[in-house]
Amino acid sequence: NAGVTQTPKFRILKIGQSMTLQCTQDMNHNYMYWYRQDPGMGLKLIYYSVGAGITDKGEVPNGYNVSRSTTEDFPLRLELAAPSQTSVYFCASSFTGGYTFGSGTRLTVV
Amino acid sequence: GESVGLHLPTLSVQEGDNSIINCAYSNSASDYFIWYKQESGKGPQFIIDIRSNMDKRQGQRVTVLLNKTVKHLSLQIAATQPGDSAVYFCAETVNYGQNFVFGPGTRLSVLP
Repeated sequence: NAGVTQTPKFRILKIGQSMTLQCTQDMNHNYMYWYRQDPGMGLKLIYYSVGAGITDKGEVPNGYNVSRSTTEDFPLRLELAAPSQTSVYFCASSFTGGYTFGSGTRLTVV
Repeated sequence: GESVGLHLPTLSVQEGDNSIINCAYSNSASDYFIWYKQESGKGPQFIIDIRSNMDKRQGQRVTVLLNKTVKHLSLQIAATQPGDSAVYFCAETVNYGQNFVFGPGTRLSVLP
């Protein structure tokens, strides 16, 4: 099992550009999550999903969108990138117990 | 010693000493707790968990203690090694659910 795979690992965006952060898991986990982590800070929940076709907002959803068309994939979309979205983004999945995290996407908006 | 830095609190310990990382959780209804370790440039990794019907659980070199009365969780690392240097997060959830709330994290720095 590859676990949780995130792509890309690094990206630089210009203000106003859009992009999709990809996340896929091969563990057949129902639950998937997107977190952002600002430098030296904790994790903030952006969006989560309890299963295919179901998504819900977390603590900091503004400026982001998600979809969950399959169990495996949970992409995060930034439509109009802003400097405040400069952060490291982590995708995670779970079934029971703790989360399995991906290795993160480092995004810089300039 | 322990100090509050600009962002994360930092705990500095000598190699070979025991480390104690503390976490004050927020919800008295939380019944399941997990400690995660995050090394530089990586995602958080599961270390150990504990349910609210327990007050202590031991793993390999790690022990988690839960005090529900004061809503306090601690992670003890025995014989701390350089590879233990990382940021440690506690996470809590209610009804053994899957929506965890993460604490702010503590940076552990192991001194040679």
